[in-house]
Amino acid sequence: AQSVTQLGSHVSVSEGALVLLRCNYSSSVPPYLFWYVQYPNQGLQLLLKYTSAATLVKGINGFEAEFKKSETSFHLTKPSAHMSDAAEYFCAVSDHQAGTALIFGKGTTLSVSS
Amino acid sequence: GAGVSQSPSNKVTEKGKDVELRCDPISGHTALYWYRQRLGQGLEFLIYFQGNSAPDKSGLPSDRFSAERTGESVSTLTIQRTQQEDSAVYLCASSQRRAGGADTQYFGPGTRLTVL
Repeated sequence: AQSVTQLGSHVSVSEGALVLLRCNYSSSVPPYLFWYVQYPNQGLQLLLKYTSAATLVKGINGFEAEFKKSETSFHLTKPSAHMSDAAEYFCAVSDHQAGTALIFGKGTTLSVSS
Repeated sequence: GAGVSQSPSNKVTEKGKDVELRCDPISGHTALYWYRQRLGQGLEFLIYFQGNSAPDKSGLPSDRFSAERTGESVSTLTIQRTQQEDSAVYLCASSQRRAGGADTQYFGPGTRLTVL
């Protein structure tokens, strides 16, 4: 069965600093990979997704993620954190079968200080 | 356009009572999913509907949980004889099912269920 591991349940950065949220997946076949963000008291919003095209995926709000097959990783980065980036971030994976439910990591809470 | 909506936004119930949670997917989305998010945990898949096909119920944690969907519209998740461990946020998502597993799922705001 596929699984997703997010290293670090809580990451704190200063405003303007680099954001790096880690995600590793376990699958012998490269899956589809997603990053979602959840702001307080809101539903999940898609940041970006990898679907076997370009390995560097750019998303909304200045975020990007790089698919690395050799490391089975899909880490999320943003060059310069903003206070509004404070939220919970979830990495998720699905396989190539139509309609497969997403398998989520446990989430990483990002705090941004001024 | 309108997104996925869920009702109620909050539900407090007593242990042993039944509850119904409602999801209105995005119009035209054939696929609908229910997930559960317990405190400090990621989302757990519960059930998946695709058109008129038999639903995938593989994520339902017990026979107290059931769900229905009318055609390609509204879905209701029912929890019978609620237990305290059922307390969680229940999220609904829908997708167009154009690209299989690469489809983007659009999530509703969730229903926060508290079982006393």
